[in-house]
Amino acid sequence: QLQLQESGPGLVKPSETLTLTCSVFDGSLSNSNYYWGWIRQPPGKGLEWIGSIYYNRSPYVNPSLKTRVTISIDLLKSQFSLTLSSVTAADTALYFCARHDSDGYNLGSLDSWGQGTQVTVSS
Amino acid sequence: DIQMTQFPSSLSASVGDTITMTCRASQSITTHLNWYQQKLGKAPKLLVSAASSLQSGVPSRFSGSGSGTDFTLTISTLQPEDFATYFCQQSYSTPITFGPGTKVDIK
Repeated sequence: QLQLQESGPGLVKPSETLTLTCSVFDGSLSNSNYYWGWIRQPPGKGLEWIGSIYYNRSPYVNPSLKTRVTISIDLLKSQFSLTLSSVTAADTALYFCARHDSDGYNLGSLDSWGQGTQVTVSS
Repeated sequence: DIQMTQFPSSLSASVGDTITMTCRASQSITTHLNWYQQKLGKAPKLLVSAASSLQSGVPSRFSGSGSGTDFTLTISTLQPEDFATYFCQQSYSTPITFGPGTKVDIK
């Protein structure tokens, strides 16, 4: 059964770079049916899509974050990662990784999620 | 960007009730609409994809409908475990966007 697990620092200082990793268990990052994505949720607020990656294509990134976001994939480690630079308090959120059930044309629904990792930006 | 709105933003209901919530897209998304249930502090759970396709393991009391810009999620015979927040999400184009959610609580 597919499992996704986020990991990373719980606390980041303003202006620093946040790096999160999603480990994928019992699933294949190179499966052509799936994209792999990052979503976040600020405290008490709704869900914001950050970006998603396919195993052999350039990632899609939310234009609102594009200048600060890098998403990469490591097939050998069965992981994909998010890097968010120049963080501010507005980046404080619960960060989720998830799998898209893609039809090859659209990213599709998010059918499996990690449990989420809380990131707080504070000095 | 495609804007998603949901209404009501919250509703109170009793166990056994049938409830309906609505999601509206700012432009046609055909049937690229997905529904999620989220409980406090937990990851969202996919309930319905492609507007009306119930995910495996999701109780049949959940049903989705709609196409174009207007969509509904209906929960019939509400159960105690159904009290949660429900989000819609469009997967028609990037950036993927979510609705602000409908919170269902106990009357």
